[in-house]
Amino acid sequence: NAGVTQTPKFRILKIGQSMTLQCTQDMNHNYMYWYRQDPGMGLKLIYYSVGAGITDKGEVPNGYNVSRSTTEDFPLRLELAAPSQTSVYFCASRRTTQETQYFGPGTRLLVL
Amino acid sequence: ELKVEQNPLFLSMQEGKNYTIYCNYSTTSDRLYWYRQDPGKSLESLFVLLSNGAVKQEGRLMASLDTKARLSTLHITAAVHDLSATYFCAVGTSTGSARQLTFGSGTQLTVLP
Repeated sequence: NAGVTQTPKFRILKIGQSMTLQCTQDMNHNYMYWYRQDPGMGLKLIYYSVGAGITDKGEVPNGYNVSRSTTEDFPLRLELAAPSQTSVYFCASRRTTQETQYFGPGTRLLVL
Repeated sequence: ELKVEQNPLFLSMQEGKNYTIYCNYSTTSDRLYWYRQDPGKSLESLFVLLSNGAVKQEGRLMASLDTKARLSTLHITAAVHDLSATYFCAVGTSTGSARQLTFGSGTQLTVLP
């Protein structure tokens, strides 16, 4: 199993541009999550999904959108990028019957 | 709003010494998670504590949970350099249709020779 994979690893965006961060897991986990981690801080939940077709907002959803059309994929869309969205973004997944969340390697995003 | 506070935020310790990292949280929960993060890397799950009084140990690390005090501790025994990393605690709460994690700010541990 590759686990949780994320692309790209690093991206520079200009203010106002849009992009999609990709997240795929091959563990057949129902639950998937998107977090952001600002420098020197803990992670904050952006959006989560309990299964294909079901998504919900986390603590900091503004400026982001998600979709979940398949069990494997959970892309995060940034519309109109702003400098405040400069961060490292982590995707995670877990099995319904287990507590442990498994994290991807992260995407480092810089908005200039 | 749930608040999760870790202390200390920075910790330098000598190899062979013992120390404890504290995680306090502000609302009722019986789910507490500890993660490790190496610089520039992702998060690795260390422990999941699911009830009051839960204690788990792996190698030189031992985690415990006191839900009445809203406190979890991560104890390091006879530290070695390989334990240098940032350690996060996270509290699990059920909101909406799934459990959410709220993370502390992390404790950056440096083990010196």
